[in-house]
Amino acid sequence: RKEVEQDPGPFNVPEGATVAFNCTYSNSASQSFFWYRQDCRKEPKLLMSVYSSGNEDGRFTAQLNRASQYISLLIRDSKLSDSATYLCSGAYTGNQFYFGTGTSLTVIP
Amino acid sequence: NAGVMQNPRHLVRRRGQEARLRCSPMKGHSHVYWYRQLPEEGLKFMVYLQKENIIDESGMPKERFSAEFPKEGPSILRIQQVVRGDSAAYFCASSPGPVLNTEAFFGQGTRLTVV
Repeated sequence: RKEVEQDPGPFNVPEGATVAFNCTYSNSASQSFFWYRQDCRKEPKLLMSVYSSGNEDGRFTAQLNRASQYISLLIRDSKLSDSATYLCSGAYTGNQFYFGTGTSLTVIP
Repeated sequence: NAGVMQNPRHLVRRRGQEARLRCSPMKGHSHVYWYRQLPEEGLKFMVYLQKENIIDESGMPKERFSAEFPKEGPSILRIQQVVRGDSAAYFCASSPGPVLNTEAFFGQGTRLTVV
């Protein structure tokens, strides 16, 4: 069983649309969560940490639901430059830092 | 403050040779993680190290692969007697403390091609 499950997509959305990704995790001991974005053949770049209270950074909102063991990422007013693969990740005691396989997003003009 | 530096960016090795991949963490970071990524696949955890210690190597193949993070110098991922299946992108990430409490940042990766 994978530590983290993500819908691989692809998600194809028009510019200006709102899109949401979910990510479920299996280890209830997981304590820290993050969203990264990865452009083709590039390194993952940290998008945002996910806090229990939820957090927002411009057009991006991240949520954590511990009861259902999932995290989400909402992107509002999608831009062409948002096209990428979005990776959710988590860490738990012992500090192994694991990743989902990623969700592919393409924003269409 | 320079980011995480990996070198070489591209590495070509013949089957049976050794590959050495280097990762210099960000200044002030003492925690390093190595990942392998095959085309169209996710990041597979390999090993987590702190200075001079291997904390978790549960993702490392039992044979041919080793990693170190000496007191001085970069972290090294070593692959002995490479095979075609070792061809992949290898990324390292670093953090100033346990990732439970901080954030980790990635280097640009080393793309290993075994011919």
